[in-house]
Amino acid sequence: AQKVTQAQTEISVVEKEDVTLDCVYETRDTTYYLFWYKQPPSGELVFLIRRNSFDEQNEISGRYSWNFQKSTSSFNFTITASQVVDSAVYFCALSEDYGSSNTGKLIFGQGTTLQVKP
Amino acid sequence: DGGITQSPKYLFRKEGQNVTLSCEQNLNHDAMYWYRQDPGQGLRLIYYSQIVNDFQKGDIAEGYSVSREKKESFPLTVTSAQKNPTAFYLCASSHGLAGAFGELFFGEGSRLTVL
Repeated sequence: AQKVTQAQTEISVVEKEDVTLDCVYETRDTTYYLFWYKQPPSGELVFLIRRNSFDEQNEISGRYSWNFQKSTSSFNFTITASQVVDSAVYFCALSEDYGSSNTGKLIFGQGTTLQVKP
Repeated sequence: DGGITQSPKYLFRKEGQNVTLSCEQNLNHDAMYWYRQDPGQGLRLIYYSQIVNDFQKGDIAEGYSVSREKKESFPLTVTSAQKNPTAFYLCASSHGLAGAFGELFFGEGSRLTVL
């Protein structure tokens, strides 16, 4: 069965520290998609990244980077030199590819609340 | 600006009342979704619609109903049959089906409190 686990419920760091948010997933399919979303206090989920299961290259976008490892079923997210504005709830999500039976459904982890203190 | 508009942002309801949450998008997306978020939990899918006049139950559809009469609109009704309706409700849309064809775009959510 599909499952996404974010074991870290809350993380607190001081500004400028690096922080890694963990995401472990379970899937029976060979084709799937992984996502990270940010939920600031306003409530709206903001899309950060989408990665398909065949692309294991790590990605960097500014202070954000993602480490995708199929061998350990993990898709971890690192923020370098964290800032107060990074304080939010971060969700990892999984979508499987069922071909013609696709629903577009995303399975979300429980979320990790990141607090960055000045 | 293109986006998803949810209303109302906050809603209070007495037990036994039905309430309808509005979701409108001007992104010209085909697919729309309703998710429920409870404290400390991830998002759970209530209903989704891939095309006008068609919708499917998600994982927690009991006590909810939807309609999709227009491409832009996907209202959610929380009925009195929903045993624990207090939650944060998020509407989302995607150009094609999310996953293979891209990501979900979310509205700002509606917070429902049952008194």
